[in-house]
Amino acid sequence: SQWGEENLQALSIQEGEDVTMNCSYKTYTTVVQWYRQKSGKGPAQLILIRSNEREKRSGRLRATLDTSSQSSSLSITGTLATDTAVYFCATGGTNTGKLTFGDGTVLTVKP
Amino acid sequence: EAAVTQSPRNKVAVTGGKVTLSCNQTNNHNNMYWYRQDTGHGLRLIHYSYGAGSTEKGDIPDGYKASRPSQENFSLILELATPSQTSVYFCASGGDRGQSGNTLYFGEGSRLIVV
Repeated sequence: SQWGEENLQALSIQEGEDVTMNCSYKTYTTVVQWYRQKSGKGPAQLILIRSNEREKRSGRLRATLDTSSQSSSLSITGTLATDTAVYFCATGGTNTGKLTFGDGTVLTVKP
Repeated sequence: EAAVTQSPRNKVAVTGGKVTLSCNQTNNHNNMYWYRQDTGHGLRLIHYSYGAGSTEKGDIPDGYKASRPSQENFSLILELATPSQTSVYFCASGGDRGQSGNTLYFGEGSRLIVV
């Protein structure tokens, strides 16, 4: 999983498989965002989940948030080769607008 | 149509030289941010701004200055570039301070190599 002293994580799977990426954070937050960064591009937001939602879905994506354990997860069902990217969780953005990003998970989906 | 545009996209600078990275946004957002990304790590915040004329220090501001002359433009300035500043720099714009769940919109990055 991402965050804290952990380094960049890497996952390699076959197209069609499901995958879950985890993120734990240190500072209390009521919002977690997940971003995807494709090679040579800037990050782009995938999904935003608030503490009162616990789970949120968008297409093949499903995000969860557990504020009691300060953790979040992002699941992708039926992965495609085009899902190959680095996935970041990010917290913050409430009072100052600043986001703090985890180190990321490198996901490789083999066709 | 790219809403956050960075220039230059690639830059090689000499140690001790001055480097200016520029960012323009057409999102009409108040907030703008500069992050750096090093291999194997996430994004770290250098400077940010709440509007024209304002700049704030982020988590790693040493060796960097910022300038926000207008709503649309935000620059990152390295007065005396060092090899440790070799990195990929990302500019982003976002919503108002105090907005819950502030989504950031990123540019495509500026790759800087300091030799």
